[in-house]
Amino acid sequence: DSGVTQTPKHLITATGQRVTLRCSPRSGDLSVYWYQQSLDQGLQFLIQYYNGEERAKGNILERFSAQQFPDLHSELNLSSLELGDSALYFCASSASADMRTRGYTFGSGTRLTVV
Amino acid sequence: QKEVEQDPGPLSVPEGAIVSLNCTYSNSAFQYFMWYRQYSRKGPELLMYTYSSGNKEDGRFTAQVDKSSKYISLFIRDSQPSDSATYLCAMRGGGSNYKLTFGKGTLLTVNP
Repeated sequence: DSGVTQTPKHLITATGQRVTLRCSPRSGDLSVYWYQQSLDQGLQFLIQYYNGEERAKGNILERFSAQQFPDLHSELNLSSLELGDSALYFCASSASADMRTRGYTFGSGTRLTVV
Repeated sequence: QKEVEQDPGPLSVPEGAIVSLNCTYSNSAFQYFMWYRQYSRKGPELLMYTYSSGNKEDGRFTAQVDKSSKYISLFIRDSQPSDSATYLCAMRGGGSNYKLTFGKGTLLTVNP
């Protein structure tokens, strides 16, 4: 167990729907990152939050949004889902002091299938 | 050209072999270089973390960075069946930007 908890583990939904993925970071970690992993694109950075504030943005579609709450858990919202959004979505967390030795700690991911 | 290129393999070796995994990159701003291991249906886990050029050794694993050639390597000595996984290189720039850019990963199988 990495200490980063992602729910749900699997999600099957129809095109056009909206889903919410949840992440609880490792205890004490203030930063949360979201990544999308697909076979053709690999791991792609979506967005980073630090202590409730957006810190960096990557290739995140406008249909996707995220937030980090005061208790530091984060949610990734995916709307108007398309078949191409089917992928593994990973959350990772880090503490600034850990970056030189531990980097990120990833959760086990949420496998999203859009049908 | 992608920022990070990594041969996806698959790579199949016998137990005990020395494995060499490589990535090339184009962004000269990258300063921190990492290797992650990802088992099937699991999240990536950090194996090695290096800063700038040079070598770093940890047990059976050695990471090398050659910034002049924009080339990084991971060597696995005395490979074991438990090393069978996908290996991802990752890198980032300096400062407080902790966004990682990943290679697509190399699938390694170590046969008993």
